[in-house]
Amino acid sequence: IAGITQAPTSQILAAGRRMTLRCTQDMRHNAMYWYRQDLGLGLRLIHYSNTAGTTGKGEVPDGYSVSRANTDDFPLTLASAVPSQTSVYFCASSAATGYPGYTFGSGTRLTVV
Amino acid sequence: AQSVAQPEDQVNVAEGNPLTVKCTYSVSGNPYLFWYVQYPNRGLQFLLKYITGDNLVKGSYGFEAEFNKSQTSFHLKKPSALVSDSALYFCAVRDPSGNTPLVFGKGTRLSVIA
Repeated sequence: IAGITQAPTSQILAAGRRMTLRCTQDMRHNAMYWYRQDLGLGLRLIHYSNTAGTTGKGEVPDGYSVSRANTDDFPLTLASAVPSQTSVYFCASSAATGYPGYTFGSGTRLTVV
Repeated sequence: AQSVAQPEDQVNVAEGNPLTVKCTYSVSGNPYLFWYVQYPNRGLQFLLKYITGDNLVKGSYGFEAEFNKSQTSFHLKKPSALVSDSALYFCAVRDPSGNTPLVFGKGTRLSVIA
């Protein structure tokens, strides 16, 4: 079934550690996104990529980095995790940026202690 | 910059009654508008979108939404609610003039009571 695969499903991480959240899609979508979901704050965009080889900053990019070496993969890296990065992280993709509709992964629940 | 507001954190409705989840938007020009639904421990799922054309848009699971340009609103509706409709609903907007990602509202939790 075509879609987005995120890994890991959940993770407990010590503060200060480096962590990469993986995201892979098999729909050949051009655009990919990382959002974090926090209670009362909804979904906030961290980084996005309009097409392979390009990336852009979203609303809350600090402490995160991304790369888009190919169409299918869009990993999100926390260089040195902090407790405020405890959240549920969703990867999404769409055929074009913001259009026509997003396909979301099932999310990664990250707890930084 | 574009934005959406969902004024209600929680909406409660009895099964069989009509439901409305409100959304207002702010964007320059004519917006692209979307509704997504999130069930517990799942990612968001696309429900419907308005790009252009008829102001009443029909989507998945019997949901529909009405685009009202004068009120800058895009309320989600369903004539008869089901318990299984209980979920978190997100409105989203995109400015069609730019190559920009969607901006999501904070979400509205819908509880349908049997």
